[in-house]
Amino acid sequence: AQSVTQLDSQVPVFEEAPVELRCNYSSSVSVYLFWYVQYPNQGLQLLLKYLSGSTLVKGINGFEAEFNKSQTSFHLRKPSVHISDTAEYFCAVSDWGSSNTGKLIFGQGTTLQVKP
Amino acid sequence: DAGVIQSPRHEVTEMGQEVTLRCKPISGHNSLFWYRQTMMRGLELLIYFNNNVPIDDSGMPEDRFSAKMPNASFSTLKIQPSEPRDSAVYFCASSLNRVGGEQYFGPGTRLTVT
Repeated sequence: AQSVTQLDSQVPVFEEAPVELRCNYSSSVSVYLFWYVQYPNQGLQLLLKYLSGSTLVKGINGFEAEFNKSQTSFHLRKPSVHISDTAEYFCAVSDWGSSNTGKLIFGQGTTLQVKP
Repeated sequence: DAGVIQSPRHEVTEMGQEVTLRCKPISGHNSLFWYRQTMMRGLELLIYFNNNVPIDDSGMPEDRFSAKMPNASFSTLKIQPSEPRDSAVYFCASSLNRVGGEQYFGPGTRLTVT
């Protein structure tokens, strides 16, 4: 069965510093991975996704993630964060191949706190 | 596209009352998901539908919760009777049932049961 582990519940960082949010997954079928962002009092929105091809995926707002099959990881990175990046970030893996219904398995989330 | 629409955005009710949350998925999407989010338990999948048919309701916490999808453009999540521990933000999401299809989330309904 698929599962997702986000290794940090909170990540504090100063503005303009780089950040990495860590995500490890477990999957017995083809791997499709996602990162979502949730700003305060809003729903989740897609940052980026990996389906196949290049292991480095670029998303919105300057974020990128790298798929590492050998380490079963999909870490999210940004070279320089802004105050506006303060939000909760969710890593998810598709359940496709198990249920074929578009179900996603979400991690517990990482709160990114950008300090001035 | 208007995105996923949820109503109401906020609901305050007294314990024991019936609560109905509504969702309109994105036109053309054939999978619909109901989630609940709390500080304590994080984001939980309650139930999901494919082509209007419930596929897995194992996340529904108890019989007080029920969900329906009478057609491709409308779904409801009902809690009867409501309890204070049901207070949470409830999200609806929809997607195309395909390889790698992402889910699109609505803005959520913040439910407070007093």
